[in-house]
Amino acid sequence: GIQVEQSPPDLILQEGANSTLRCNFSDSVNNLQWFHQNPWGQLINLFYIPSGTKQNGRLSATTVATERYSLLYISSSQTTDSGVYFCAVGQGGSEKLVFGKGTKLTVNP
Amino acid sequence: DAGVTQSPTHLIKTRGQQVTLRCSPKSGHDTVSWYQQALGQGPQFIFQYYEEEERQRGNFPDRFSGHQFPNYSSELNVNALLLGDSALYLCASSYDRINYGYTFGSGTRLTVV
Repeated sequence: GIQVEQSPPDLILQEGANSTLRCNFSDSVNNLQWFHQNPWGQLINLFYIPSGTKQNGRLSATTVATERYSLLYISSSQTTDSGVYFCAVGQGGSEKLVFGKGTKLTVNP
Repeated sequence: DAGVTQSPTHLIKTRGQQVTLRCSPKSGHDTVSWYQQALGQGPQFIFQYYEEEERQRGNFPDRFSGHQFPNYSSELNVNALLLGDSALYLCASSYDRINYGYTFGSGTRLTVV
């Protein structure tokens, strides 16, 4: 099955810093989502981005489907950005999302 | 507009017992998927329901079963609970996953003792 690798596994930042999270996947996809899992466990949908670039406030994401990777950019990080960020992909003909192992982000004040 | 709601939020069960978890999809969504997330891991797909039928199943034993009702809500049932079934169980719903992806609930944290 498709493999999803996220890097780095852990990231510690000072408030105000910028960061880039990466997601590599091993096969073509028709669904790619970035999620932020908060301390209570809820997966909050950040972007649905199987290709192209999107921006939402301080967050933006780019997926280069032909090269099988996606990037999540966080600018001017805040302590509330802390948590685990997951990349999840889906393929044609399959209904499931396959998740990476996540990047644990800690933003210190 | 309510998102995906799950109940209960927490549950403690004894080995060998049976458990039922519930999910109400986001308004307008007709497809429900269930995921299991062990501590420190990414969620793993259990199965998906559409039009009251199981459409796809992940690599989980038959002890895991589900149901979807005419109002699109869903239940996840786990029989003969094992200690290893302790996890966060997440429900996701969608209307058009090709163009919009999935929306997740807050999950049910199940502890088996």
